[in-house]
Amino acid sequence: TQLLEQSPQFLSIQEGENLTVYCNSSSVFSSLQWYRQEPGEGPVLLVTVVTGGEVKKLKRLTFQFGDARKDSSLHITAAQPGDTGLYLCAGAWPGNQGGKLIFGQGTELSVKP
Amino acid sequence: ETGVTQSPTHLIKTRGQQVTLRCSSQSGHNTVSWYQQALGQGPQFIFQYYREEENGRGNFPPRFSGLQFPNYSSELNVNALELDDSALYLCASSRGQGSYNEQFFGPGTRLTVL
Repeated sequence: TQLLEQSPQFLSIQEGENLTVYCNSSSVFSSLQWYRQEPGEGPVLLVTVVTGGEVKKLKRLTFQFGDARKDSSLHITAAQPGDTGLYLCAGAWPGNQGGKLIFGQGTELSVKP
Repeated sequence: ETGVTQSPTHLIKTRGQQVTLRCSSQSGHNTVSWYQQALGQGPQFIFQYYREEENGRGNFPPRFSGLQFPNYSSELNVNALELDDSALYLCASSRGQGSYNEQFFGPGTRLTVL
């Protein structure tokens, strides 16, 4: 059974601070996605990483896929109140049928001005 | 381009009742996936429909069933509701089957079972 563990579960920081969210699994994933979800809305895709060791940047957000494709991290530089939300990682694995995504339990981020 | 829409927004039912949730996929998308998101948790995959047939299923009992229509919209039906079925139900559409296709999520239906 594929499982994704995210840490930390909750994070409360001041505006301007940096933070890192981790997503770990014992399984090898073919790809891993990061989503952001705001209250009352569905998750919105931020990035997909596919290649082991891949690094992608989206403005102040940096995403990395582990070399063994079992883990990933999201780093936010100089966090802003607008970054507040639930961050979810989701993995797909080789031979998956039916488009099933396995989600982590999420990291609830609160950035205070 | 119209995004994924879901109805109703909120729903309150009692144990033992049946419920139908609806989803309209994004224009050009032929695949719909359903997820259950309990409070404080990540979404859990229920099943996916591709070209009107179930294309994959998660660890949910048979009382969770679905349909996809020729216009690619979809329904999720849950029979014999239990208290633990209380959750946000998310629908996501994509251009094709397979998890490599980006899934676009709707805002969800909040189901409360009393």
